[in-house]
Amino acid sequence: AQKITQTQPGMFVQEKEAVTLDCTYDTSDPSYGLFWYKQPSSGEMIFLIYQGSYDQQNATEGRYSLNFQKARKSANLVISASQLGDSAMYFCAMREGYRGNQGGKLIFGQGTELSVKP
Amino acid sequence: GAVVSQHPSRVICKSGTSVKIECRSLDFQATTMFWYRQFPKKSLMLMATSNEGSKATYEQGVEKDKFLINHASLTLSTLTVTSAHPEDSSFYICSARDIQGAYNEQFFGPGTRLTVL
Repeated sequence: AQKITQTQPGMFVQEKEAVTLDCTYDTSDPSYGLFWYKQPSSGEMIFLIYQGSYDQQNATEGRYSLNFQKARKSANLVISASQLGDSAMYFCAMREGYRGNQGGKLIFGQGTELSVKP
Repeated sequence: GAVVSQHPSRVICKSGTSVKIECRSLDFQATTMFWYRQFPKKSLMLMATSNEGSKATYEQGVEKDKFLINHASLTLSTLTVTSAHPEDSSFYICSARDIQGAYNEQFFGPGTRLTVL
């Protein structure tokens, strides 16, 4: 069963508008972390934002915010005021079962390709 | 943020040869590093977890004799693709976990594009 699901293979957004990228997850572990990464055409993975399962508030980092709905098991990324440089692949990832210095592997969703139009 | 380097960034080799890819954490020590494989327009697939001083843990379906991983020090892990074949052509990305990081997050290298002729 897919543990991380991104249902939008591609998205378009007009420059300066906001866009929401969807991500749902499935886990029975009460302690987990959710990450969003950006991958431009160069291939590097850029960390954007993190949400812990016990965090009470939604995470925010500049123009990025995470709409965390724990009961629905969703962790959507919201990008405000889109810029041309935001065009890239975006991956949602989950880390579960982390204990001490071992483990902590990430499970990635299928990705969403975002295109920002001028 | 923490910096992870990967070398080489691009390699072309003949079928049957072996290729070594290095992953280094430049400004932090990483007891755990991860190796991923990515096909065009696809997600990252975890191949193995590399722990310093012990054997790597491979994901199901990954041939450990074909993809040799050595985590020789707290800043270096290597992936050797042995007897490479054209189907091994892919984008290989490593990451290193910074336990001192704010979120214990993984920092990724820039990737290595392998082409096997």
